Amino acid sequence: DAGITQSPRHKVTETGTPVTLRCHQTENHRYMYWYRQDPGHGLRLIHYSYGVKDTDKGEVSDGYSVSRSKTEDFLLTLESATSSQTSVYFCAISGSDYEQYFGPGTRLTVT
Amino acid sequence: ELKVEQNPLFLSMQEGKNYTIYCNYSTTSDRLYWYRQDPGKSLESLFVLLSNGAVKQEGRLMASLDTKARLSTLHITAAVHDLSATYFCAVDKARGYQLIWGAGTKLIIKP
Repeated sequence: DAGITQSPRHKVTETGTPVTLRCHQTENHRYMYWYRQDPGHGLRLIHYSYGVKDTDKGEVSDGYSVSRSKTEDFLLTLESATSSQTSVYFCAISGSDYEQYFGPGTRLTVT
Repeated sequence: ELKVEQNPLFLSMQEGKNYTIYCNYSTTSDRLYWYRQDPGKSLESLFVLLSNGAVKQEGRLMASLDTKARLSTLHITAAVHDLSATYFCAVDKARGYQLIWGAGTKLIIKP
């Protein structure tokens, strides 16, 4: 398995609170991605990174921000969590062949 | 805009039968990926198809790519219960490192 970890794996938080999810890789891959997965919507790209401090928006970026200060870490922040952000969040990485490898996922519940 | 359509979205079949999942995409792309997801789990890469006419096989699964028709197929031979999962296809965008995902095909194989 590709060396990708996500933390936390499960989180319950209240509406309006900030939340940060962490993705850590040991593969030294250049590209990193954050997706959310919801029933009926498949996988949707939130943000991605193509290098340290190089990030860009995906299709559902509103309400989310990201940071990548080191190759191995990609952080996803919900500045003020809303119930619509209840979802399963997956981090993925890819190298020069662009095949994406996924982390175990984080189940986030916003009450 | 690149779009990826899978069909069927849901498939229930008996063990021992053969079936095919289709993945159509709307614009030219050189790479197509198939992933598997078990309930409550992460996504696992199955196949990477890199050129027209590419065919890859792993056990009872065989994937093929026709770039001229913009079509990939995932064929299941003599299905067994362990193949029950959701299968996703994904196609890379022009810049290569972003993937556009199909909605997934939920496959249930009954003993």
